[in-house]
Amino acid sequence: NAGVTQTPKFQVLKTGQSMTLQCAQDMNHEYMSWYRQDPGMGLRLIHYSVGAGITDQGEVPNGYNVSRSTTEDFPLRLLSAAPSQTSVYFCASSDGLAPYNEQFFGPGTRLTVL
Amino acid sequence: KNQVEQSPQSLIILEGKNCTLQCNYTVSPFSNLRWYKQDTGRGPVSLTIMTFSENTKSNGRYTATLDADTKQSSLHITASQLSDSASYICVVSGTGGSYIPTFGRGTSLIVHP
Repeated sequence: NAGVTQTPKFQVLKTGQSMTLQCAQDMNHEYMSWYRQDPGMGLRLIHYSVGAGITDQGEVPNGYNVSRSTTEDFPLRLLSAAPSQTSVYFCASSDGLAPYNEQFFGPGTRLTVL
Repeated sequence: KNQVEQSPQSLIILEGKNCTLQCNYTVSPFSNLRWYKQDTGRGPVSLTIMTFSENTKSNGRYTATLDADTKQSSLHITASQLSDSASYICVVSGTGGSYIPTFGRGTSLIVHP
């Protein structure tokens, strides 16, 4: 099992550009989520999905869109990048929504917006 | 508002020494508390989970404790190794319909030879 994979590992954008961060998992997990991690702050939830076709907002959803067409994939779209979106982005998955379930994290995407 | 506070913010110790990291939380009602280890440039990896009825749980050289009455947890690392250098993150989940765990800011541990 590859676990949770993310692409790209690094990305530099100019303000106003759009891009999609890819996330895939091969563990057949229903629950997937996107976090951002900024220096000196805890991970913050952007969006999450409890299954194919179902998504919901987390704590900091503004400026980001998601969709979940398959169980395996959960892409994160930045429609018009802003310098405030410079961060490290982590995708995670878990076997169900129950709070006991461990989240498995991907290796992260480091995004810089100029 | 649910909060998770970790201390110290950073810690430097010599290889072979022990250390204890602290986590205080205000999440209520409480479901579980996890400690994650995050190596530089990697995603967090779960070390242990504590539920309401558990006081102590060990994972090799890592021992987590939980006092649900005072809403405090600690992570004790015994006989530290260079590979223990990482950020340790405390994550608390509550019960109820919305699954949004609360993350602490982490403690950065550096182990020197």
